[in-house]
Amino acid sequence: QKEVEQDPGPLSVPEGAIVSLNCTYSNSAFQYFMWYRQYSRKGPELLMYTYSSGNKEDGRFTAQVDKSSKYISLFIRDSQPSDSATYLCAALGTGANNLFFGTGTRLTVIP
Amino acid sequence: KAGVTQTPRYLIKTRGQQVTLSCSPISGHRSVSWYQQTPGQGLQFLFEYFSETQRNKGNFPGRFSGRQFSNSRSEMNVSTLELGDSALYLCASSKLAGVNEQFFGPGTRLTVL
Repeated sequence: QKEVEQDPGPLSVPEGAIVSLNCTYSNSAFQYFMWYRQYSRKGPELLMYTYSSGNKEDGRFTAQVDKSSKYISLFIRDSQPSDSATYLCAALGTGANNLFFGTGTRLTVIP
Repeated sequence: KAGVTQTPRYLIKTRGQQVTLSCSPISGHRSVSWYQQTPGQGLQFLFEYFSETQRNKGNFPGRFSGRQFSNSRSEMNVSTLELGDSALYLCASSKLAGVNEQFFGPGTRLTVL
């Protein structure tokens, strides 16, 4: 079992839709959770960074962590064609040095 | 502020050869981590360097090695290339040791024929 599991999609939504991207993880020691966005032929770009459980909002993006169910979510409101990319979730344990990534979900927002 | 740079961006090698990839971190960042990205396995951690010392290593064979210089620049070497080594190799830097807030470079696309 991979440390972080992510539905690879692909996911296609119309412009303006609310997008929900999800991951699960297996290690209860994970404390830090990240979402990265990766455009084609580019490296991943850090979008959101959260510690432990709860929600974090940044503009149209909301990251949510539920440690009881080991579930990580990223919500994108009012999605735009420029949001079309692959989204990667990642998890890290306290004191650990390995960042474990999901395989990524490819999102396409159709104008 | 310049981002993480990686050279070369594209590389084609044949089986059995060796390759060296280079990474220049963001100015002031002392930690450099390397990752391999493939469609099947996604992003996998190779190793992390901080202050010229390898702090942690992922589950890759000894053919994969790296080093970090006093200016924080890092190189990664893969010897005796195999077809399965074809991947995007990403370098990421952060201010402190550990990988909690990393910034990635654009990657080096390695193709092994």
